[in-house]
Amino acid sequence: QLQLQEPGPGLVKPSETLSLTCTVSGGSISSSTYYWGWIRQPPGKGLEWIGSIYYSGSTYYNPSLESRLTISVDTSKNQFSLKLTSVTAADTAVYYCALWPRGNWYFDLWGRGTLVTVSS
Amino acid sequence: EIVLTQSPGTLSLSPGERATLSCRASQSISSSYLAWYQQKPGQAPRLLIYGASSRATGIPDRFSGSGSGTDFTLTISRLEHEDFAIYYCQQYGSSPIFTFGPGTKVDIK
Repeated sequence: QLQLQEPGPGLVKPSETLSLTCTVSGGSISSSTYYWGWIRQPPGKGLEWIGSIYYSGSTYYNPSLESRLTISVDTSKNQFSLKLTSVTAADTAVYYCALWPRGNWYFDLWGRGTLVTVSS
Repeated sequence: EIVLTQSPGTLSLSPGERATLSCRASQSISSSYLAWYQQKPGQAPRLLIYGASSRATGIPDRFSGSGSGTDFTLTISRLEHEDFAIYYCQQYGSSPIFTFGPGTKVDIK
């Protein structure tokens, strides 16, 4: 049974780079059946899709974040990662990794989420 | 960009009552591209409905979805205590390819 796991909560200083990795267990990240994605939720607010990636490396980014965003996949480690540069307090959020089944239009498996706080 | 609007913002109901949640899109979308999620405090969202009306695996039949074009509805026929949560609609489309509505909170009256 597939599971997704993000790291524990973290603290990032303003203007620095936020880096997160999601580990996939119970299945292969190289499966042609899935895309992988990141979604975030500021405290007390709604959900924002950040971006998604296919095992081949094809990426899809939210235009509002694209200039600061890199999503990558490491098939040897069964992981995919997010890097967001030049962070501000507005990037403080719970970050979720999630599975997007290919040929479908939703996320049907989510990690538990990790809180990233941007503060000096 | 397609904007999703959800109403009401908060719905105060008692267990056993019927809940009707609305999701409106700023332009017409395919029903295939509309999903609903439930989120409880401290938890990740859980997929409830996809394709506007198909229940996800393990979702009780008291949850149903309907609608087309720009207007979509999530109905909970008889609220159970575990149904008090925040509900989000989500659409797939052009850039950005996924957007979420602001959510409707269903709380206990």
